[in-house]
Amino acid sequence: EVQLLESGGGLVQPGGSLRLSCAASGFIFSNYAMSWVRQAPGKGLECVSSISGSAASTYYADSVKGRFTISRDNSKNTLYLQMNNLRAEDTAFYYCAKTNGVVYVADAFDIWGRGTMVTVSS
Amino acid sequence: EIVLTQSPATLSLSPGERATLSCWASQSVNSNLAWYQQKPGQAPRLLIYDASNRATGIPARFTGSGSGTDFTLTISGLEPEDFAVYYCHLYRRWPITFGGGTKVEIK
Repeated sequence: EVQLLESGGGLVQPGGSLRLSCAASGFIFSNYAMSWVRQAPGKGLECVSSISGSAASTYYADSVKGRFTISRDNSKNTLYLQMNNLRAEDTAFYYCAKTNGVVYVADAFDIWGRGTMVTVSS
Repeated sequence: EIVLTQSPATLSLSPGERATLSCWASQSVNSNLAWYQQKPGQAPRLLIYDASNRATGIPARFTGSGSGTDFTLTISGLEPEDFAVYYCHLYRRWPITFGGGTKVEIK
């Protein structure tokens, strides 16, 4: 069964850091680009970062550029999101998502994890 | 950045009725558009990709259409489990963007 399981969320003070992880199983992880998509409470979806299967290409939303770093360890089938200098507006549910195809980094997302909540507050 | 606008924001319908959801792009996106369903407390679920292709396991009552700037998701005969929020999603270019969502609620 194809599965994604996020971890690492929690409560952090403004200016603090967190590292999210997403453990993948049931598919050839290195073949697929992956993304982190967040959703603030009661709000819509925002793709904050994407990474190619080989990790050669990465993309960031303007809202997180310079503060967040996406990475992956294909030997461990794990995706990461390092979040630094966190702000109140980063408070959201963070989902990892797998692309639908093997060609494009930015593609439809066919598999989503359950998400992990990040709360930035003093 | 291409902006996706969904309409209406809320759709109040009864089970068995037909739902028509719209998504407009601020410039042409070819057919690089997907639709997702999200229920409270759950992750989004892919329904339609490439504007009109149903994802694996999605019932035939879900139909996507359109290309360029105008897209439609049609649910023919709402089932009780279809009442949820629906998002359109632009991909194959960065930034990836989502529409603001349409909530389909029970009338």
